Amino acid sequence: ETGVTQSPTHLIKTRGQQVTLRCSSQSGHNTVSWYQQALGQGPQFIFQYYREEENGRGNFPPRFSGLQFPNYSSELNVNALELDDSALYLCASSQQGGYNEQFFGPGTRLTVL
Amino acid sequence: KQEVTQIPAALSVPEGENLVLNCSFTDSAIYNLQWFRQDPGKGLTSLLLIQSSQREQTSGRLNASLDKSSGRSTLYIAASQPGDSATYLCAVRKTGGYQKVTFGTGTKLQVIP
Repeated sequence: ETGVTQSPTHLIKTRGQQVTLRCSSQSGHNTVSWYQQALGQGPQFIFQYYREEENGRGNFPPRFSGLQFPNYSSELNVNALELDDSALYLCASSQQGGYNEQFFGPGTRLTVL
Repeated sequence: KQEVTQIPAALSVPEGENLVLNCSFTDSAIYNLQWFRQDPGKGLTSLLLIQSSQREQTSGRLNASLDKSSGRSTLYIAASQPGDSATYLCAVRKTGGYQKVTFGTGTKLQVIP
């Protein structure tokens, strides 16, 4: 059973650019959630995808968008990058119903200059 | 709106000591509570998951308790080791809807040899 993987590990962008982060969910999981974690803070919920549909969203602007694919892998897209978008982006997969326990990937460190 | 607080923010203990980390939440309508460990710059590792109907869970030297009525959970670490040094985060999943997860800001633990 493979765990949650994320790519890339690190990324450097400049203000105004666009970025796509990728996540492969754990085998058997149908739900992917994305979080933003600023330095010294707890993860903040961005949105969640269940069976290819966004079914929950936190307080993030529309320039944060996502996709989930039939194999339950997911992408997070951020347009018009701002300096404050610099953070660790975490993806978590879970199986809705049952315990709904989340398993996290290693994260993508995004730096916006 | 669910608010999750973790006290203390940082803790330094000598090796071998037993310790307790605290997590408080404001809305008792929870589905489950999950404790994680995070090493610097890394993803989150799941430690224990407690369903809302449970009072405690144990894994090795770790024991987590849940008191929904008072909005509190504790993580007890027995016989601490230097390898336990990390940031510990609690995450509360609400009931209903897409079951949004809210994280605390974490307790940074240092175990001194």
